[in-house]
Amino acid sequence: DQQVKQNSPSLSVQEGRISILNCDYTNSMFDYFLWYKKYPAEGPTFLISISSIKDKNEDGRFTVFLNKSAKHLSLHIVPSQPGDSAVYFCAASAGGTSYGKLTFGQGTILTVHP
Amino acid sequence: ETGVTQTPRHLVMGMTNKKSLKCEQHLGHNAMYWYKQSAKKPLELMFVYNFKEQTENNSVPSRFSPECPNSSHLFLHLHTLQPEDSALYLCASSQEGGEGEKLFFGSGTQLSVL
Repeated sequence: DQQVKQNSPSLSVQEGRISILNCDYTNSMFDYFLWYKKYPAEGPTFLISISSIKDKNEDGRFTVFLNKSAKHLSLHIVPSQPGDSAVYFCAASAGGTSYGKLTFGQGTILTVHP
Repeated sequence: ETGVTQTPRHLVMGMTNKKSLKCEQHLGHNAMYWYKQSAKKPLELMFVYNFKEQTENNSVPSRFSPECPNSSHLFLHLHTLQPEDSALYLCASSQEGGEGEKLFFGSGTQLSVL
């Protein structure tokens, strides 16, 4: 049973527009959420995170929104740039002694067209 | 060198071979991890080492044997693997006690078992 789901395998967006990537989770013990970006032939790199005590975290062009009641989070990229084209993974942690023991979604391939 | 370095980048092995994957982190972190990404599946946690002690074995078959001689080095010893073990193997590190959930990944070893 997959506890973190990214239901959109791919997303295509025009440069300058907003990209919205979605993630749903089922485990109510998750209290920390992260987004990673992965380019081909490279490992995932940390992008942005949010604690369950917040509903929004912003870092430059990237904003993550958390809706705990719906067990849903989303990543907004504004404005989107061609260099943002990559695979984006949502991940969750149950905190406590679970540091680093992340549960990942399947990933969403984002393509930003010039 | 900086970050997390994995060698080799690619590995092809037969089912009767014995090989080892190597990971080295230059970030001063005290926790290291092995994750596995099979085709079209999410990243899955395999092993966790905190302060050189294994704290997690996520029901991994015994044909995978981890070794952590110090907080900077991590190995994954492979023997009598099966074709279904073909996957991308990713090493990661983090700082337990800080933002422990924020993992820093290496570029991975793409393993093919024939």
